[in-house]
Amino acid sequence: ETGVTQSPTHLIKTRGQQVTLRCSSQSGHNTVSWYQQALGQGPQFIFQYYREEENGRGNFPPRFSGLQFPNYSSELNVNALELDDSALYLCASSWASGTDTQYFGPGTRLTVL
Amino acid sequence: GQSLEQPSEVTAVEGAIVQINCTYQTSGFYGLSWYQQHDGGAPTFLSYNALDGLEETGRFSSFLSRSDSYGYLLLQELQMKDSASYFCAVRPGNTGKLIFGQGTTLQVKP
Repeated sequence: ETGVTQSPTHLIKTRGQQVTLRCSSQSGHNTVSWYQQALGQGPQFIFQYYREEENGRGNFPPRFSGLQFPNYSSELNVNALELDDSALYLCASSWASGTDTQYFGPGTRLTVL
Repeated sequence: GQSLEQPSEVTAVEGAIVQINCTYQTSGFYGLSWYQQHDGGAPTFLSYNALDGLEETGRFSSFLSRSDSYGYLLLQELQMKDSASYFCAVRPGNTGKLIFGQGTTLQVKP
């Protein structure tokens, strides 16, 4: 157990809808990164938040957006859901923005119908 | 761009030693990491090589050779609980962006 929690565990949405996923970082960590993991693939970096500011973004469209709160918890918002957005969404917290050691939560399994 | 290649599957027997290779094409990175992910679970950090050479952590060891663009994870005294997917990853910049390989599924048989 890493101390990183995510909610909800599972979610089913329909195409075109919007979704918000939540992540609570491990105590003492000020950085949260979000990843998308399709079945049978490695995680793909969406973006990172460090001290409430976006600090790096992967190759994802603007309909993927995020937020980090003063307690360092974070949200991932996805608008205009597409079928290909079906995946496991992982958040990872770390004690600094530039570190290879990241502590992952259990993920949110999103299914878009 | 950056890409990392790993074998898709490896099978070994309990008690044996297995090596999972990772070759990469990237212009620069801070180090090579390894993560373990059990089916349906979260990736868990295993090991990190900032410099060339071998890093040992209990039954797991990891190796990096920047000149050969190559690294590996070595698992000794395999146990059934080691059955999982293993990912190598690099961090190309000074953010926390990790680029992961496609993963290697390790099946440990009795």
